[in-house]
Amino acid sequence: GAVVSQHPSWVICKSGTSVKIECRSLDFQATTMFWYRQFPKQSLMLMATSNEGSKATYEQGVEKDKFLINHASLTLSTLTVTSAHPEDSSFYICSASPYYSYNEQFFGPGTRLTVL
Amino acid sequence: GQQLNQSPQSMFIQEGEDVSMNCTSSSIFNTWLWYKQDPGEGPVLLIALYKAGELTSNGRLTAQFGITRKDSFLNISASIPSDVGIYFCAGRRGNNAGNMLTFGGGTRLMVKP
Repeated sequence: GAVVSQHPSWVICKSGTSVKIECRSLDFQATTMFWYRQFPKQSLMLMATSNEGSKATYEQGVEKDKFLINHASLTLSTLTVTSAHPEDSSFYICSASPYYSYNEQFFGPGTRLTVL
Repeated sequence: GQQLNQSPQSMFIQEGEDVSMNCTSSSIFNTWLWYKQDPGEGPVLLIALYKAGELTSNGRLTAQFGITRKDSFLNISASIPSDVGIYFCAGRRGNNAGNMLTFGGGTRLMVKP
């Protein structure tokens, strides 16, 4: 149980295009989902926290107009990287907290974004 | 964002050896979590600690929540090649999912068969 999926697992796009990444909790409902970014050989850095049906809370230094987050249901959150540039190339990972065990976070497998 | 101080940054050990890594913070955390991340994958939860002084095992893994609530350690006994990966500690200040996790910088473990 407590499986989180992400789609796509990797994406290559041209500079200036927008990319949407989906995060789904497959066998549980998640009241809260989190989006992280991880650069090579570095730790996970929280980008934003999203609660179903409300606006996401962004961490300091993360542009909310560039990284659009939509948490439309209790099992789906999406991250859209708008007008992507090479410096946005990174490993994006989501996590979800089950409504029945809000102390825990289960992570997705990540999405590798490469912007040319 | 803030990170926990995790050490060592990397370890290269012989198969069968025991491993120890730890995380420290200047702030108190109410929850400590240990994750393992394989290349190109998301972190997988290994052990969760909820009480100061708590000692919890998961197979060959043992982790403890420090009494001061400012530190935690993870031990791996009798390491095997599949233990290779990056281990992250993470702390949470509050007891609800609204409080974010703060991650350590990671410990890269390499095991020589």
